[in-house]
Amino acid sequence: SQTIHQWPATLVQPVGSPLSLECTVEGTSNPNLYWYRQAAGRGLQLLFYSVGIGQISSEVPQNLSASRPQDRQFILSSKKLLLSDSGFYLCAWSKQIYNEQFFGPGTRLTVL
Amino acid sequence: SQQGEEDPQALSIQEGENATMNCSYKTSINNLQWYRQNSGRGLVHLILIRSNEREKHSGRLRVTLDTSKKSSSLLITASRAADTASYFCATDHGGSQGNLIFGKGTKLSVKP
Repeated sequence: SQTIHQWPATLVQPVGSPLSLECTVEGTSNPNLYWYRQAAGRGLQLLFYSVGIGQISSEVPQNLSASRPQDRQFILSSKKLLLSDSGFYLCAWSKQIYNEQFFGPGTRLTVL
Repeated sequence: SQQGEEDPQALSIQEGENATMNCSYKTSINNLQWYRQNSGRGLVHLILIRSNEREKHSGRLRVTLDTSKKSSSLLITASRAADTASYFCATDHGGSQGNLIFGKGTKLSVKP
């Protein structure tokens, strides 16, 4: 069966520090991968999606970036965090477009 | 941009009652999906209904889709305290991208 992992689960970082969140999927190949951010009490905002290794599409221009160095690995990064980057970050995968997405447990990021 | 909007924002009911949540969207879609999120956790896919379907059942869940009104409803019958969660609808762009756009969710509280 397929599983999706995210780490860390929680993170507290000072403003201006770098960020690296990692997501890995097991049990499937060539998944579509997604990074979302969820502000408190809000819906999900799609940040990045990837249909293959090295292929990244950005939905929202900001100081975050994403990379997909391996088929089942998706990384969310920032060189300098802002206060507004605080939120709940969710990674998800799907087998095909239009299909259901499967979410990881999320990372709670607090930028102080 | 197109977005699913859930209604109501919050719903509080007693155990055993039915809970109905609605979702409206703006443009044509390929499918509509409903997800559930327990507090501080990732989203869990509940059900997917395609644009050519009008109703779908899964256990105690019943989803309807009215493409003429661009709306969907999620009915949870005989609710339980464990159904307490936020429920989100998600629609695709209706084109070739297939990325999902999530609404802000309905927060359901089921009191024992």
